[in-house]
Amino acid sequence: AQTVTQSQPEMSVQEAETVTLSCTYDTSESDYYLFWYKQPPSRQMILVIRQEAYKQQNATENRFSVNFQKAAKSFSLKISDSQLGDAAMYFCAYRSAWSNYQLIWGAGTKLIIKP
Amino acid sequence: DTGVSQDPRHKITKRGQNVTFRCDPISEHNRLYWYRQTLGQGPEFLTYFQNEAQLEKSRLLSDRFSAERPKGSFSTLEIQRTEQGDSAMYLCASSSVAGLAGGHFGTDTQYFGPGTRLTVL
Repeated sequence: AQTVTQSQPEMSVQEAETVTLSCTYDTSESDYYLFWYKQPPSRQMILVIRQEAYKQQNATENRFSVNFQKAAKSFSLKISDSQLGDAAMYFCAYRSAWSNYQLIWGAGTKLIIKP
Repeated sequence: DTGVSQDPRHKITKRGQNVTFRCDPISEHNRLYWYRQTLGQGPEFLTYFQNEAQLEKSRLLSDRFSAERPKGSFSTLEIQRTEQGDSAMYLCASSSVAGLAGGHFGTDTQYFGPGTRLTVL
């Protein structure tokens, strides 16, 4: 069975600085998708970025980028120029490309932005 | 239609009562998912529909839980004889396998609603 691990329960960063959130996963599959979702306090889950395992190029969405290391089964999220609105819980999630469609989630990292 | 909607947003009930939640997916989306999220944890998968067919159920979905998607549009999740351990946020998500309806992040990306927070007293 696949598992997702986020080893940082909480991270803090100064506004305008860069922060990296870690995620590792375990799978025997070769084809899958990885996601970072953001959940602000009392607000809904928002997709930040998506990575297909077959793509070697790391995904980028504006200030958000990933470092996808397939062999190491690592999928970290880098947030550049951190803003107060980035404060949220960040969840890493895995989805098989073929066998089922459910997302398998990490426990989340709480990101605090210091003004 | 700008996103997934869920109703109610909050529900407080007494132990032993039945509750029903509704989810309206993004209109072009043929897949619908239910997850449960307890405080400080990531969501856990409950069940998944493709159109009106319920294709997968988690072992977390006990006999007290039932989900339907009768016309392949909205879905309901019912919990019978609620227990205090059922207190959680219930999240609904939808996705599409077809072209542009997949949105910016591509086909079969799951987009989430605001959730229904259930408190069982």
